[in-house]
Parts: sequence; C-alpha cells; structure tokens
Amino acid sequence: SQKIEQNSEALNIQEGKTATLTCNYTNYSPAYLQWYRQDPGRGPVFLLLIRENEKEKRKERLKVTFDTTLKQSLFHITASQPADSATYLCALDLFMNYGGSQGNLIFGKGTKLSVKP
Amino acid sequence: GAVVSQHPSRVICKSGTSVKIECRSLDFQATTMFWYRQFPKQSLMLMATSNEGSKATYEQGVEKDKFLINHASLTLSTLTVTSAHPEDSSFYICSARGQGPGEQYFGPGTRLTVT
Repeated sequence: SQKIEQNSEALNIQEGKTATLTCNYTNYSPAYLQWYRQDPGRGPVFLLLIRENEKEKRKERLKVTFDTTLKQSLFHITASQPADSATYLCALDLFMNYGGSQGNLIFGKGTKLSVKP
Repeated sequence: GAVVSQHPSRVICKSGTSVKIECRSLDFQATTMFWYRQFPKQSLMLMATSNEGSKATYEQGVEKDKFLINHASLTLSTLTVTSAHPEDSSFYICSARGQGPGEQYFGPGTRLTVT
C-alpha cells in the first residue's frame, strides 16, 4: 500500500540546536517533494521543494535532503528559534504517467516542532 | 510571492443548510486549483482538483453531489457544501497551482462548524 510517514508526531528541542525531521514514503514515485510549515488554524506555507534528481537543497537556515533509493527526505532547521515552533508537513508531488507532476499533493500528518528558549 | 485568499475564514451553519467557500488567486491566474480538507491532528486530504472551465475531478470517496465545485474564472474557485451535517465540520483549504514546476500556493483555510 502507499504510505507517507513523518517520523514523529512531536519534536521538542532547545533553542540554538538543529531540528531534524524525517519523511518516509512507500510505493510512490514523486516528481518533487515539498516541505511546508503550518501554524494552528492556518493554511500551509511553502518552504522548500526538492526534485527527484536533486540530493540537497538549502534556504537560509533550512536544508532538505532527498534520497529516492531510501525513499526518504530529511528536513533540518539549524540554529533553531522559538519562532520556528510549528507543524511541519512533507508532501509528495507525483509523476503523471506521461511525465511531469500531477500537481495535487499527498501530505504526511506532520511533525509538531517545539523550540524551547 | 503569490497570494491565495479564502472567504469566509470561519462559518457556523445549521445542519441541512448549504455553505459556499470562495478561493481566489489575488495576483496570478490559476488554471488549476485544489480543495483539501483537514481534520484535527490529521494530514490534509485532497478532495478535488478544480480546472477552469471544466468539471472538477473528485478523489475517491468524495461525493461530488455534496461538494460542488465551480471554477468559473482564472482567479476564482468555489466549494459549496450542500446539506451540511456535523460530520462535515472541518478545516477546508484551497490551493492554486503556480506557473513554475511544483509551485503551489495555499489559502489561509476556512473553519466550518455545522451544528
């Protein structure tokens, strides 16, 4: 069966440390993998997108890796701050049969990150 | 960046009534929009794909006669929950596809409560 799983429902870390969140999937062939931030009662906000032929992508304090052999993506926030506290969602954007992405996203349940001062 | 708005942000309605939710792309044209539903502590679940000028494509298990989607223009898609019941209470989120590969922009969501 097809699954997308984020390693833990909640992650608590100390300010200044690096937060690492995991996203694993089975029986999908994603064109892209995306990470979003969602605050309570709000829609997701796009953070980073990584293509199936890319290994790593960085944006400021954020880093995403993508291993299509392991079917896993890691999302890192370095020098974490209390303002980084939110739920982080990974999402798969799937290949269409004739190439290109389908455009509709398959979301994981999210990991709620809490950064303590 | 691209902005997607939703209206209303919150709505409370009585069981049996219909509710319309609007999704607008404010600074870009969106030929494709998506409607998601999210229950507490659950992931976003795609309900349907809305294409401008054509019928929406519904995901398996989503009743098309209950959740009416109209994508009348390149900047507006509407979702109407007909004959709403308490089990339809949820957080409804729309998104619009951008021009670049993989680009997708989400609205702020609409909290529907059916009493």
